[in-house]
Amino acid sequence: EAEVAQSPRYKITEKSQAVAFWCDPISGHATLYWYRQILGQGPELLVQFQDESVVDDSQLPKDRFSAERLKGVDSTLKIQPAELGDSAMYLCASSLIGLGTGELFFGEGSRLTVL
Amino acid sequence: AQSVSQHNHHVILSEAASLELGCNYSYGGTVNLFWYVQYPGQHLQLLLKYFSGDPLVKGIKGFEAEFIKSKFSFNLRKPSVQWSDTAEYFCAVTKNQAGTALIFGKGTTLSVSS
Repeated sequence: EAEVAQSPRYKITEKSQAVAFWCDPISGHATLYWYRQILGQGPELLVQFQDESVVDDSQLPKDRFSAERLKGVDSTLKIQPAELGDSAMYLCASSLIGLGTGELFFGEGSRLTVL
Repeated sequence: AQSVSQHNHHVILSEAASLELGCNYSYGGTVNLFWYVQYPGQHLQLLLKYFSGDPLVKGIKGFEAEFIKSKFSFNLRKPSVQWSDTAEYFCAVTKNQAGTALIFGKGTTLSVSS
């Protein structure tokens, strides 16, 4: 069964350092999402891509977060500089087309700890 | 803006007990509704979904959910839980239009004792 691949699974970094997460969606899935899940809460959308274009990044803290999906396939989420409050699980998900017709498939996530 | 409320933060049950997890959403238009489950150490996976039609939806592993439009609710049920149902359960909603993302509730942790 095809899966969404994410790396790294775990990342520990110090405050003010840069960190990057990578996601490879299921082949053929045009829509890619990055969610952040703080312990004890539900996932919150950071950014949504349709192919290589950003559809929604209204909740992305753009002063320190950036995301790209240059060729419309895999994607990178970057944080620079990292802050203590960024400690969370970063989830990538993909779907065939935008929701309204299908389900999201999630990767296993990248757990970030900022010291 | 859309939002999703899950009433129970942590539910503890014995095996064979019946389960009902509450979920309410706020959005006046047409929505699609989902329940996702996250087993310990695993990724989020879809339990069931409602787009239209019969408001009683059956999902995997014996779960079902009922959409009550007048109450803006989509409660999850299972007649008899098993120890293996121990997990975190998330209700989610999206507008019924292409290109919109899922909005999740805060989740309910279910602990089932054998």
